[in-house]
Amino acid sequence: GQNIDQPTEMTATEGAIVQINCTYQTSGFNGLFWYQQHAGEAPTFLSYNVLDGLEEKGRFSSFLSRSKGYSYLLLKELQMKDSASYLCAVSNFNKFYFGSGTKLNVKP
Amino acid sequence: GAGVSQSPSNKVTEKGKDVELRCDPISGHTALYWYRQRLGQGLEFLIYFQGNSAPDKSGLPSDRFSAERTGESVSTLTIQRTQQEDSAVYLCASSPRDRGFDTEAFFGQGTRLTVV
Repeated sequence: GQNIDQPTEMTATEGAIVQINCTYQTSGFNGLFWYQQHAGEAPTFLSYNVLDGLEEKGRFSSFLSRSKGYSYLLLKELQMKDSASYLCAVSNFNKFYFGSGTKLNVKP
Repeated sequence: GAGVSQSPSNKVTEKGKDVELRCDPISGHTALYWYRQRLGQGLEFLIYFQGNSAPDKSGLPSDRFSAERTGESVSTLTIQRTQQEDSAVYLCASSPRDRGFDTEAFFGQGTRLTVV
């Protein structure tokens, strides 16, 4: 089976840094994606990791450790518009398996 | 169109009726996915189409669910004899998998299905 775990909800303050963790146990692995989903909207792509290490894209960074089945998404200089759900997804050849998502609340 | 288009955006149906949901993928995208998202939950894989290959139906929850796709164009997801537990947002996504396995999926806005 496929098992992808994320915290259900997190709260952080505007301007701060927040780290959203994702652990996975899947029967296969090609890569790991992070998506952002605002309430009532479609998920949009944020980042992708296939090798171990950190990938940085502006205020967002994503880290992967394949041996530990672990990833995190790091958001810096939080803005109110970052309030959304963040979905971790494992790519296994022809399918994407999603976690339940982490709802991030950014407070002033 | 520029993005993945789904219709209808909202559908309210009576328990026991059949519904058909439509997805227009991004032109040229060979891969198409259907996902179900219940309120406050993650995305549940339903079915995957890749070009003219046999679809991967391993995520369909029961035989009341079926999907079709003609070539690399429109897909329809049909739910027969709807139940209240089928109430969810049904998301369609497409990706240009002919560029390799690991390209991101582009999602439509979804169809919100409510079974009353």
